Amino acid sequence: EDKVVQSPLSLVVHEGDTVTLNCSYEVTNFRSLLWYKQEKKAPTFLFMLTSSGIEKKSGRLSSILDKKELFSILNITATQTGDSAIYLCAGRGVKGSSNTGKLIFGQGTTLQVKP
Amino acid sequence: NAGVMQNPRHLVRRRGQEARLRCSPMKGHSHVYWYRQLPEEGLKFMVYLQKENIIDESGMPKERFSAEFPKEGPSILRIQQVVRGDSAAYFCASSPSSPENEQFFGPGTRLTVL
Repeated sequence: EDKVVQSPLSLVVHEGDTVTLNCSYEVTNFRSLLWYKQEKKAPTFLFMLTSSGIEKKSGRLSSILDKKELFSILNITATQTGDSAIYLCAGRGVKGSSNTGKLIFGQGTTLQVKP
Repeated sequence: NAGVMQNPRHLVRRRGQEARLRCSPMKGHSHVYWYRQLPEEGLKFMVYLQKENIIDESGMPKERFSAEFPKEGPSILRIQQVVRGDSAAYFCASSPSSPENEQFFGPGTRLTVL
């Protein structure tokens, strides 16, 4: 069965620290991995990764995928209190002849950034 | 450009009643996904629809749950004869023309069954 596992489950850091969030996956006929940030409401899209070794960046956030070792990391540098949220990782694959786009989510990493 | 809209944001039902959750995708998006987030659990896929078609309902319970995405109007997730175990946050996501695109989520509907 497809699964996505995130670690750590929770993390407490101070402003200015750098954090690395981990995501490992076992997804049949893997196609892409997506990262989301969830605060009190809608998960907000961060990155979609399809190719190994190509870093995606957006401000202080960056992410990279390793398709050989089946994992991805999300880095946040110079953390701020506004980065406090649950970070979700999701894998997507293809089953049989159909590509349904279904996302398999991990449990999430809860990040708390203290002032 | 409005994002994905869901309503109601909060819904309270008594056991045995019906719950109807609505989702309007982003403008130009023709693919809709429903996910459920139970307390202390991650998001779980329920169903994937395109206009007037259910493409994948492998994550949806076979009884009491149904979904539709009519030609006109929002997508509806319908839960008949709700039970306490249905209490959860239900999120809708939409994507443009291909299921390989990124999915954008709505704010969710929090269903509480008394």
